[in-house]
Amino acid sequence: EAGVAQSPRYKIIEKRQSVAFWCNPISGHATLYWYQQILGQGPKLLIQFQNNGVVDDSQLPKDRFSAERLKGVDSTLKIQPAKLEDSAVYLCASSSLTGVYGYTFGSGTRLTVV
Amino acid sequence: EDQVTQSPEALRLQEGESSSLNCSYTVSGLRGLFWYRQDPGKGPEFLFTLYSAGEEKEKERLKATLTKKESFLHITAPKPEDSATYLCAVGDDKIIFGKGTRLHILP
Repeated sequence: EAGVAQSPRYKIIEKRQSVAFWCNPISGHATLYWYQQILGQGPKLLIQFQNNGVVDDSQLPKDRFSAERLKGVDSTLKIQPAKLEDSAVYLCASSSLTGVYGYTFGSGTRLTVV
Repeated sequence: EDQVTQSPEALRLQEGESSSLNCSYTVSGLRGLFWYRQDPGKGPEFLFTLYSAGEEKEKERLKATLTKKESFLHITAPKPEDSATYLCAVGDDKIIFGKGTRLHILP
């Protein structure tokens, strides 16, 4: 079974620029999550999709972050404009059975905003 | 508000020296408690799910236990390859993570 694919692996941008991250979940996984992990912290949920609908985006800074999941498969997370405090690893995860086997995470995209 | 607190923040052990990591939680109603392992530059890797007090799960040198207020991850006779950050999380379709314990096993 292929894992969760994310790209790019690394990205360096200047503040006020925009950036986009891409995620391809495990085939057949209906639920997709985007997490933000700041260095030394645990992952923090940004947004949860069920198929192509948003279930929870209460922690997503909507003035600068946006996410979509077209056709209930791939997803993109965008930041515009980026701030220094957005420097973090952005992790995508997917799951099929709620809570039973946990989530499968991708390797993440490390974003550095300078 | 649900909270997950892990201790210690970091732990250094000699190879073969057993120890335990702690995860305490305050939630409105426990749905599931999860343990993950995270290696540098990688995403978290699922280890265990626990649902009820008294439940235990084992995998190689790791054993996770659950009480009504906390969970322990026991590491028996660890090896250098067990070095990683261990994350605890609670929830079900939406899970909240603690900050993790960075474990370093010295050969």
